Order: sequence, then structure tokens, then C-alpha cells
Amino acid sequence: GDSVTQMEGPVTLSEEAFLTINCTYTATGYPSLFWYVQYPGEGLQLLLKATKADDKGSNKGFEATYRKETTSFHLEKGSVQVSDSAVYFCALAQGGQNFVFGPGTRLSVLP
Amino acid sequence: EADIYQTPRYLVIGTGKKITLECSQTMGHDKMYWYQQDPGMELHLIHYSYGVNSTEKGDLSSESTVSRIRTEHFPLTLESARPSHTSQYLCASSDAGLYEQYFGPGTRLTVT
Repeated sequence: GDSVTQMEGPVTLSEEAFLTINCTYTATGYPSLFWYVQYPGEGLQLLLKATKADDKGSNKGFEATYRKETTSFHLEKGSVQVSDSAVYFCALAQGGQNFVFGPGTRLSVLP
Repeated sequence: EADIYQTPRYLVIGTGKKITLECSQTMGHDKMYWYQQDPGMELHLIHYSYGVNSTEKGDLSSESTVSRIRTEHFPLTLESARPSHTSQYLCASSDAGLYEQYFGPGTRLTVT
């Protein structure tokens, strides 16, 4: 079945550092790809998405490009802030099927 | 802006009690979901619904039950709570034509 793999956390960075969280997927078709963010004590929020190969999703300074050749959707941000501390989930969905979420990566940004 | 609500936000209850976790959405979405989130953060789908009178079990076996009598409402019930049910429960919904899921704020359940 379809699956999503994320880099293990926790990831700890200093403020203004560059962030990359790796995400790779396995799917039989052509899924849509998503990044969700969960702040402490809250539910998940959609951060960005891409629906086809080479699409770039972006929001709040975060970016991710749908790479079909490497089956990847890595999340990047050029300069992280303390307020970016959260858990980040990579996910895929296709054909009206249920979402497949990765295990989540916890990010801590230190001032 | 997505509007999906869960009550209560926090619940501490004794073993053997019956509880119902409420979830409502005002977006008219057909699909609704319940996830259990363990302390390690991973999400496990326990129930979902395609619309009124539709309920399906998810990937993770759960002793809970759900109902979908109205489009906007998808409550989850535990007939007899146990300490193993202690977890965070997240409700979500999505439009049939789109893939994005919108999540509620969650209910943190502790069974003593």
C-alpha cells in the first residue's frame, strides 16, 4: 500500500537557520502531496500542498516541490523563527482514498 | 476559513464510564474522520464516514463506535472507558471533491 516516510526528529535549530525536513513516499498512482503543521495543544493545519509533478507549494515562507523522479516532497524554509516550533506531517492522498500520513517530525527552534 | 469543532477539549474520566466525544463542522463536508494520536505523535485512523448513515472502521482497531445521522455531526462513543483509551482524539472533515482535510482542535482524554 501507499506509505510516507519522514526524517526522524526531533530537529533542533537556532533562530534564522535553514530548515529541511525530508519526506519520501511510495504510491502506485499520482498522489497529491501535503504538509501539515501541528502547534502545541492544537489540531493539524494545512501548511501547503502540490497536486502534480514539479508543482511547488508555498506558504508562510515554507516551500516544497513535488519531485516524481525521486518520489520526494521535502519541506524547506530559509530562516526559521521560534514560532515555527511545532510538529510537521507529510501526507499523500489519491483517488478519493483516505490520507496517508507520515509519522511526524518535531521541530524546536531556539532563540 | 475551516470551521470544525470538538468538545470537550480535555476530559479526565474514571474506568468503566461511558463517554461521547463531539465533533461538528459547518462547511457541509461529506467526509468526516476520527484519528487517535499517540504520544509519539503518529496519527491512526480509527473511523470515517462518506456521508449520512455511512460509517467505516479505519486502519487501527478501536473499541469506540461512531454515528452519522446529520452531515455536520460525527460523534465518537466509548461504552466503557479504559486506561488504554488515554490519548488525543482528532476529528477531521473534507469535501468529496477535494483532498484537503480540515482538523478540529482535538480532545485530550485521560482515563484513570
